[in-house]
Amino acid sequence: EAGVAQSPRYKIIEKRQSVAFWCNPISGHATLYWYQQILGQGPKLLIQFQNNGVVDDSQLPKDRFSAERLKGVDSTLKIQPAKLEDSAVYLCASSLDWLQGEKLFFGSGTQLSVL
Amino acid sequence: QQQVKQSPQSLIVQKGGISIINCAYENTAFDYFPWYQQFPGKGPALLIAIRPDVSEKKEGRFTISFNKSAKQFSLHIMDSQPGDSATYFCAASNSGANNLFFGTGTRLTVIP
Repeated sequence: EAGVAQSPRYKIIEKRQSVAFWCNPISGHATLYWYQQILGQGPKLLIQFQNNGVVDDSQLPKDRFSAERLKGVDSTLKIQPAKLEDSAVYLCASSLDWLQGEKLFFGSGTQLSVL
Repeated sequence: QQQVKQSPQSLIVQKGGISIINCAYENTAFDYFPWYQQFPGKGPALLIAIRPDVSEKKEGRFTISFNKSAKQFSLHIMDSQPGDSATYFCAASNSGANNLFFGTGTRLTVIP
């Protein structure tokens, strides 16, 4: 079974630039999550999709962060403009279904450094 | 506000010893308590999880102990091995995998 795929693996940008991350969940998983993991902390949920609809984006800084899952499969997370405090690992995860799923499958993440 | 508090921040254990990591929560609506294991450069992976209708769950060398009245739960790793060296996160939610609140992590090092 293929896991959650994320790219790029690393990204270095300067503050005020924009950046985008891509995620392809496990085939058949209806629910997709984006988490932010700052060094030394646990992952924090940014946004959750069920198919192509947003279930929860209450912790997404909407003035600079946006995400989409247009066809209900892969997803893109964008930051524009980036701030120094956005330096973190951005993890994508998927689960079978938001009502039935308990197990989260995480990708390896994209490590973002904002200089 | 940290929804789930985890301790210790780091832990060093001899091979064959018992590793114990503790977590506490405040929200009594939480009903799902998983533990995730994360190796450097990888995403977290589900290790074991418990719901509050039982006080203990064991899977191989890994055991979760759950104390509902104290709002605490812990992970015990028996016969710790160098391959167990990783960062462990407790988490909690009131709806399965949805809106999980993670602890700050415990970096475990098992010395051969």
